[in-house]
Amino acid sequence: DAGVIQSPRHEVTEMGQEVTLRCKPISGHNSLFWYRQTMMRGLELLIYFNNNVPIDDSGMPEDRFSAKMPNASFSTLKIQPSEPRDSAVYFCASTGGGPRVEAFFGQGTRLTVV
Amino acid sequence: AQSVSQHNHHVILSEAASLELGCNYSYGGTVNLFWYVQYPGQHLQLLLKYFSGDPLVKGIKGFEAEFIKSKFSFNLRKPSVQWSDTAEYFCAVGANNAGNMLTFGGGTRLMVKP
Repeated sequence: DAGVIQSPRHEVTEMGQEVTLRCKPISGHNSLFWYRQTMMRGLELLIYFNNNVPIDDSGMPEDRFSAKMPNASFSTLKIQPSEPRDSAVYFCASTGGGPRVEAFFGQGTRLTVV
Repeated sequence: AQSVSQHNHHVILSEAASLELGCNYSYGGTVNLFWYVQYPGQHLQLLLKYFSGDPLVKGIKGFEAEFIKSKFSFNLRKPSVQWSDTAEYFCAVGANNAGNMLTFGGGTRLMVKP
């Protein structure tokens, strides 16, 4: 398996534009997480899906952020409109097989909003 | 809900020094414990994990961690660090009744001086 695949790896966009980040979890995993990492705030959990259903989205910072998981092999995180303070590295992770199985992380998307 | 505290935010050591990074969690039930490492510019990778049995767990690259239930702690140790251990280290906790949900600590940045 190729692991968790995120795209794009880098994204530079102008303030106000819509940004869509994509994630393909490991095949067979039933849980997917979106994290945001910044120097100031560290690693923050944004949203957690289980069997394609959002379980906990309390970490989503504002209504500008939305996430979907239309099927078991694909998820998106959308920011509309984007702002400079959204600049961060966004990680997707997946896990499956119960709570004793570790989460596997993607390479991340480095987002810069100018 | 569970929470995780890593009290050392930044640690600087010389090569061959011994390392201990603290991790304390807050949760009264059965937990699964993980340490992840993030090398500069890379994604998080699993170092070691504990579910049950021997509370002293050995991981990759000479790392180990000890689960002390009475102290709600899962400290990471390495007898002799190398320059290549320079990275950020994250402790994570999953509760058996929380599905695959993982809660991460704030991370500890380790710098090893050659």
